Amino acid sequence: SQTIHQWPATLVQPVGSPLSLECTVEGTSNPNLYWYRQAAGRGLQLLFYSVGIGQISSEVPQNLSASRPQDRQFILSSKKLLLSDSGFYLCAWSVMEGGAGANVLTFGAGSRLTVL
Amino acid sequence: AQTVTQSQPEMSVQEAETVTLSCTYDTSESNYYLFWYKQPPSRQMILVIRQEAYKQQNATENRFSVNFQKAAKSFSLKISDSQLGDTAMYFCAFMKHGGANSKLTFGKGITLSVRP
Repeated sequence: SQTIHQWPATLVQPVGSPLSLECTVEGTSNPNLYWYRQAAGRGLQLLFYSVGIGQISSEVPQNLSASRPQDRQFILSSKKLLLSDSGFYLCAWSVMEGGAGANVLTFGAGSRLTVL
Repeated sequence: AQTVTQSQPEMSVQEAETVTLSCTYDTSESNYYLFWYKQPPSRQMILVIRQEAYKQQNATENRFSVNFQKAAKSFSLKISDSQLGDTAMYFCAFMKHGGANSKLTFGKGITLSVRP
């Protein structure tokens, strides 16, 4: 069965420090991978998605970047965090067509980032 | 671009009663998927139900069912026999069918409280 791991679960970082959140998926090949951010009391905003190794699409201009160095690994990074980067970050995966699970996004447990 | 609107920020229901959560969307696509996700206090995003737009029959999953009105672009979720564990934030989401750009667009969510 497929599983998704996301870490760290909680992170408190000072303004201007770097960030690295990691997500890995097991039990599937060539998944679509996504990073979403959820600000307090609000909906989910898509930050990045990837359809393959090295292929990253950015949805909104921001202080963050994403990379996909391996098929089932997706990393969210920042060189210098801003206060506005605080939030709950969710990684997700999906496969495209075929079967009842097609096009369903499965989410990780999330990473809570507080920038002070 | 697609938009998803959940106009009710909060709802409350008595345990064992039935509640309906509303969602409308706007798209020029003819083929797409609609979803309801649940986010309990643990903040784990959990798929509740999925509807394929080309299917006229409304999807059901145990106590959860949808009323999909394609012409009206409406997609409401009915929860029957509400349970305390249904207390959560519920998100309606849209995904365009096919291609590599299988991104989920979320509504802002509704907070559902089930009263004992």
